[in-house]
Amino acid sequence: DTAVSQTPKYLVTQMGNDKSIKCEQNLGHDTMYWYKQDSKKFLKIMFSYNNKELIINETVPNRFSPKSPDKAHLNLHINSLELGDSAVYFCASSQQTGILEQYFGPGTRLTVT
Amino acid sequence: KNEVEQSPQNLTAQEGEFITINCSYSVGISALHWLQQHPGGGIVSLFMLSSGKKKHGRLIATINIQEKHSSLHITASHPRDSAVYICPFENFGNEKLTFGTGTRLTIIP
Repeated sequence: DTAVSQTPKYLVTQMGNDKSIKCEQNLGHDTMYWYKQDSKKFLKIMFSYNNKELIINETVPNRFSPKSPDKAHLNLHINSLELGDSAVYFCASSQQTGILEQYFGPGTRLTVT
Repeated sequence: KNEVEQSPQNLTAQEGEFITINCSYSVGISALHWLQQHPGGGIVSLFMLSSGKKKHGRLIATINIQEKHSSLHITASHPRDSAVYICPFENFGNEKLTFGTGTRLTIIP
């Protein structure tokens, strides 16, 4: 059984479009995260939710909006996509805020053309 | 047994000291990351290594693939270096990162 799943795995879209990436975890964790991995494979946190509440919101354009309908889901919606948004986006979850063992999803490779 | 072991798990040092954090792994890997996690939980990538040594400012990371070992060194440590340091690795063909327990570093002024 997949612990943290993301859909889609690959997403190719044109500039200006709006798209969403979905994340679900079946681990019963309270905290979920969205990370962006750039072309050098560096990870940078974007958002963190604990029990459906936003607890970290790094400097991310407001075109990016996370939505957590329940604590098992954290979706990422991106408006007006730009070329620079092309990256791999990882969802992760952990039992508590800041706990070390974060379980990562398989990633979503977003390509904006 | 964890596939990634870090040592020490906790480290407290005085400002200015030279710090070494070690990471050992038990499986074949394609790359190893060193991450810094601040108290709020946010993670910052420091290095990604598949061989050799990398340096960025006061930070140096080394990896020995044959010995399945990596180290992170901090020179002239500063209280702002206080954080948890984590060394997850990537398996070949799998972008999922496997995490260990991390090292909690506290630098005292």
